[in-house]
Amino acid sequence: SQELEQSPQSLIVQEGKNLTINCTSSKTLYGLYWYKQKYGEGLIFLMMLQKGGEEKSHEKITAKLDEKKQQSSLHITASQPSHAGIYLCGADIQTTSGSRLTFGEGTQLTVNP
Amino acid sequence: NAGVTQTPKFQVLKTGQSMTLQCAQDMNHEYMSWYRQDPGMGLRLIHYSVGAGITDQGEVPNGYNVSRSTTEDFPLRLLSAAPSQTSVYFCASSYSNIGPIEQYFGPGTRLTVT
Repeated sequence: SQELEQSPQSLIVQEGKNLTINCTSSKTLYGLYWYKQKYGEGLIFLMMLQKGGEEKSHEKITAKLDEKKQQSSLHITASQPSHAGIYLCGADIQTTSGSRLTFGEGTQLTVNP
Repeated sequence: NAGVTQTPKFQVLKTGQSMTLQCAQDMNHEYMSWYRQDPGMGLRLIHYSVGAGITDQGEVPNGYNVSRSTTEDFPLRLLSAAPSQTSVYFCASSYSNIGPIEQYFGPGTRLTVT
């Protein structure tokens, strides 16, 4: 079973619409990351959240971490075609030899002009 | 800095062939790792290394070997390729695995095994 669950798996929106992607952990979050991937390319780091209640924004993308619920959300305001891609959440899961980064399955975002 | 580089970008293998995927970083990072990305499965950790001479298994290590003779390089070897190893492979590095800490990803190697 996945340690990180993302929803929805895919999302199609019209340009200009707002959208939210969720990431829920089955284990205690030590750090939560959001990455973006365009098809055929590597992962681009978006944001890292460490503390419960933390919220960070970059341009029109805002990410929040609700540590009590072991959940994070990524919100895009007034979406643009440049926002299209796969959004992945990653989290540090504690192990006996340190922390290990694990990922959700990803959310495929399509923004129609 | 070139960051994390991977070669080749694309590769097609026949079942049973062996090959090595190369990964290098020039950021003096101690921690390096290999992931594979498959549709509906997200990224899954294959092997990782916390420093030169130290490697360990991730979630899906079977069929893969790694070694870390230098801080910069972390090659991934497929000993006898199988169609189930068709995937996109990403190498990543960070200065530590004591998180939370940003990992830097390479551009990926798209491997097809026929």
